[in-house]
Amino acid sequence: EVQLVESGGGLVKPGGSLRLSCAASGFTFSSYNINWVRQAPGKGLEWVSFISTDGSSIYYADSVKGRFTISRDNAKNSLYLQINSLRAEDTAVYFCARGDLSGFFHPWGQGTLVTVSS
Amino acid sequence: EIVLTQSPATLSLSPGERATLSCRASQSVGSYLAWYQQKPGQAPRLLIYDASNRATGIPARFSGSGSGTDFTLTISSLEPEDFAVYYCQQRRSWPPYTFGQGTKLELK
Repeated sequence: EVQLVESGGGLVKPGGSLRLSCAASGFTFSSYNINWVRQAPGKGLEWVSFISTDGSSIYYADSVKGRFTISRDNAKNSLYLQINSLRAEDTAVYFCARGDLSGFFHPWGQGTLVTVSS
Repeated sequence: EIVLTQSPATLSLSPGERATLSCRASQSVGSYLAWYQQKPGQAPRLLIYDASNRATGIPARFSGSGSGTDFTLTISSLEPEDFAVYYCQQRRSWPPYTFGQGTKLELK
């Protein structure tokens, strides 16, 4: 079964940092692009970041550029998101989502909640 | 950045009825549009990709149509499990990938 499992979320103070992880299983991780997408409480979906199969291409949403860093370890079938200088508006559930052969996102992990509050 | 506008914001229907959801793009996205379903507390699920192709395992009552700037997701006969929030997404011009704001399909 193709599966993505996020971890690493939690409560952090403004200005703090967290490292989110996404563990993949059931498919050849190194063959797929992966994305992070977030969803603020009660709000819609916002794409955050993209990383290509070998990590050579990386993109970020303007809202997180310079503060978030995406990376992957294909040997460990894992994706990461280092999030620094956290703001209240970064409070959200963070999903990792595989870039399907169609180019769209399938499947998605169950998400990990990041709460930024003093 | 391509802006996707979904309508209506909320759609109230009963099981067995037909649902028609709309997604309009601020500029042409060709056929590079997908639809996702999200239920409370769950991750989104890909329903339709490239405007009209059903993803694996998606029931035939779900269909997508459109190209350019106007797209429609149709659910031919609503089942109880179909009540959820639906999002459209484009990949014609990225980054950024963009999503619509969602349509909530609720039980009447």
